[in-house]
Amino acid sequence: GDSVTQMEGPVTLSEEAFLTINCTYTATGYPSLFWYVQYPGEGLQLLLKATKADDKGSNKGFEATYRKETTSFHLEKGSVQVSDSAVYFCALVQAGTALIFGKGTTLSVSS
Amino acid sequence: GAVVSQHPSWVICKSGTSVKIECRSLDFQATTMFWYRQFPKQSLMLMATSNEGSKATYEQGVEKDKFLINHASLTLSTLTVTSAHPEDSSFYICSARDPGTSELYNEQFFGPGTRLTVL
Repeated sequence: GDSVTQMEGPVTLSEEAFLTINCTYTATGYPSLFWYVQYPGEGLQLLLKATKADDKGSNKGFEATYRKETTSFHLEKGSVQVSDSAVYFCALVQAGTALIFGKGTTLSVSS
Repeated sequence: GAVVSQHPSWVICKSGTSVKIECRSLDFQATTMFWYRQFPKQSLMLMATSNEGSKATYEQGVEKDKFLINHASLTLSTLTVTSAHPEDSSFYICSARDPGTSELYNEQFFGPGTRLTVL
């Protein structure tokens, strides 16, 4: 079945460092891809999305590009802030089904 | 974007009692809602898919008699944890699909979650 694999955390960075969180997927068909963020004690918030190959999703300085040839959707940010500390989930969905999540990657940014 | 609410945001109950969690789509009609469970520092696990006016579809390993799901209207789905035990303590999150905007993108909108603690 479909699945999402993302890098194990935690990822610990200093403020203004470059961030990459790797995400690869296995799916039949052409899924939509998402990154969600979960701040401590809160629910999930959509960070960005891409619906077809070569689409780039972006929001709040975060970017991810839907790469069909490598089945990847890596999350990047050029300069992280302390407020970016959270758990990040990569996810995919096919038409008519529920989201399938990766295990989540905890990001901790220190000043 | 579309807004999904959950109530209560947290609940503490005694072992053996039942707890009902509500999930509402506030500004759209959701024919399909999903219930997830999240253990500390772990990912979300899909429990069931709730379709308005029909029985929920449960994922393998989820006890349908323990986790009762009712999707009685296009804006409300409820999850009732029956005869709760400490091992049912978890973070329960619902999501809804807005057919008006998300069919193209298959996007789901998430509620803020309900933290259940069973003593």
